Amino acid sequence: KAGVTQTPRYLIKTRGQQVTLSCSPISGHRSVSWYQQTPGQGLQFLFEYFSETQRNKGNFPGRFSGRQFSNSRSEMNVSTLELGDSALYLCASTKTGRRWDNEQFFGPGTRLTVL
Amino acid sequence: AQSVSQHNHHVILSEAASLELGCNYSYGGTVNLFWYVQYPGQHLQLLLKYFSGDPLVKGIKGFEAEFIKSKFSFNLRKPSVQWSDTAEYFCAVEKSSGDKLTFGTGTRLAVRP
Repeated sequence: KAGVTQTPRYLIKTRGQQVTLSCSPISGHRSVSWYQQTPGQGLQFLFEYFSETQRNKGNFPGRFSGRQFSNSRSEMNVSTLELGDSALYLCASTKTGRRWDNEQFFGPGTRLTVL
Repeated sequence: AQSVSQHNHHVILSEAASLELGCNYSYGGTVNLFWYVQYPGQHLQLLLKYFSGDPLVKGIKGFEAEFIKSKFSFNLRKPSVQWSDTAEYFCAVEKSSGDKLTFGTGTRLAVRP
């Protein structure tokens, strides 16, 4: 079956712009988590959605937001982009969000460059 | 706040050498522990996980990890590495099932053929 897909794969934006990233989970998965990956910080948790509701949130400013649709697809939005937002944004899905009996599968990521 | 430390940022080994990557976490309560691997050009994938029971867990590709509660550690080991083990390895912790995952900063392993 198809894995987690993320679009677009690459984005170049300038400071002050906004961006929307999309994630389609594996069919049947209802939980979607987003992570920011940078060389210095590793992976940092942004937020998790389950059945269209935000269930967990990381320590990121309000410029970072997300949502989940009824088909479990998720989007994350970053407004007023800053240079420090340049990163690989990863999406991961599980059936229920419980990792002890549901493996979490990661997508390939969206590489965002802010100039 | 909960944190995860991976003290080895870069490790270079020759094939057949033994591997041990350190992982320590700061949370004092019950935790669930994971190791993920990211091979060059591939998605992040699960190597192994610990939730309860035997503190020595075995994962894919000959990897294992030992949970030592008194040391807040979950070190990853492999007796004999191969060139194909070249990758970045991430330790991760969640406080309870369904909670957010906190990752370490990763260890880049390069295996020389």
